[in-house]
Amino acid sequence: ILNVEQSPQSLHVQEGDSTNFTCSFPSSNFYALHWYRWETAKSPEALFVMTLNGDEKKKGRISATLNTKEGYSYLYIKGSQPEDSATYLCASIRDSGYALNFGKGTSLLVTP
Amino acid sequence: DTGVSQDPRHKITKRGQNVTFRCDPISEHNRLYWYRQTLGQGPEFLTYFQNEAQLEKSRLLSDRFSAERPKGSFSTLEIQRTEQGDSAMYLCASSSSDRGASAGYTFGSGTRLTVV
Repeated sequence: ILNVEQSPQSLHVQEGDSTNFTCSFPSSNFYALHWYRWETAKSPEALFVMTLNGDEKKKGRISATLNTKEGYSYLYIKGSQPEDSATYLCASIRDSGYALNFGKGTSLLVTP
Repeated sequence: DTGVSQDPRHKITKRGQNVTFRCDPISEHNRLYWYRQTLGQGPEFLTYFQNEAQLEKSRLLSDRFSAERPKGSFSTLEIQRTEQGDSAMYLCASSSSDRGASAGYTFGSGTRLTVV
């Protein structure tokens, strides 16, 4: 994998549903994996930064896992709420540079 | 500190004109980044400053683009002889740790450039 890829591109769920997204990234020279939430008309907001293989992080109803050997990360949202509606971006950075390489994002819509 | 500030929020310019954007990072952050986002894409890296030193530039940053951070505080991004393909959201971000490893980047709200 040369670029960061995210799936699905978009997702529409009902309030209360749990959901998850996938991020694939280059595993060579890996340094860190970032997850951001970007709501319309606001700034991207950092959710997690993960560096170690097997890392799991949690913030409220949102959690993320990291597999650096195979180059993927999952983001989970438990019991989605309408305020979770946003674009979720993942980005990886290599130890050979400073560029954070973003995927195209997953657009989540949660309806009541 | 109110976070990362970008000015202006929106800019409409005619093709061929020069434009300049400003970014004021969080005052304690010595690392500053510029990104560009076009429709349907994720943000793309443009350049990185550590204090006043520009340490990395993307190949996306053509000769028409220049960025400065003269005193290691605010930064400016100038685009000369704008083209329609320059229309995008220009995002600035800052961090206190190497590659944002401790808490990620803090982004501004961006400057939306439209070249007509």
